[in-house]
Amino acid sequence: AQTVTQSQPEMSVQEAETVTLSCTYDTSESDYYLFWYKQPPSRQMILVIRQEAYKQQNATENRFSVNFQKAAKSFSLKISDSQLGDAAMYFCAYRTMLPTQGGSEKLVFGKGTKLTVNP
Amino acid sequence: DSGVTQTPKHLITATGQRVTLRCSPRSGDLSVYWYQQSLDQGLQFLIHYYNGEERAKGNILERFSAQQFPDLHSELNLSSLELGDSALYFCASSAPERGRDTGELFFGEGSRLTVL
Repeated sequence: AQTVTQSQPEMSVQEAETVTLSCTYDTSESDYYLFWYKQPPSRQMILVIRQEAYKQQNATENRFSVNFQKAAKSFSLKISDSQLGDAAMYFCAYRTMLPTQGGSEKLVFGKGTKLTVNP
Repeated sequence: DSGVTQTPKHLITATGQRVTLRCSPRSGDLSVYWYQQSLDQGLQFLIHYYNGEERAKGNILERFSAQQFPDLHSELNLSSLELGDSALYFCASSAPERGRDTGELFFGEGSRLTVL
């Protein structure tokens, strides 16, 4: 079974600076998706960024970018120019791309990293 | 707005009671997933339905059950409630069929259950 590990329960960053959140995962599959979801105090789950494993190029969405290392099974999130609104729980998640017959495309989540942004 | 609707948003009940949480997926999405998030915890997968059929079951208690109806909405039934069942219950939907799959799951705003 796939597992996702976020080794940093909490992180903090100064406003306007850069922070990197770590994520590692374990899988025997070659085709899959990786995601970072943000959960602000409102508790809504918001997709931050998505990466397809077959793509070598790291995904980027404005101030958010990832460092995807497939061989190392590592998927870190870099937030540049941090803003107060970035304060939230961040969850790394894994999803198989091609489930076996009758299988599931469920997301497997890490335990999350709580990011605090200091003014 | 993700397009996924969950009701009720908040629910307070007593131990031993039974509640039903409802989820309407995004228009056309055949897959519905249920997750449980206890206080300051990650999201635990409960169950996945695809077009009315159960696809996968996670750490779902025997006191919990779910179903997906022909109109694709889903209900999660929680019975004999205990204090530890207090949590935020998320529903998510996706369109894993070829040509519609972006990989993403779209989450509702959650139903917050408090058991007293």
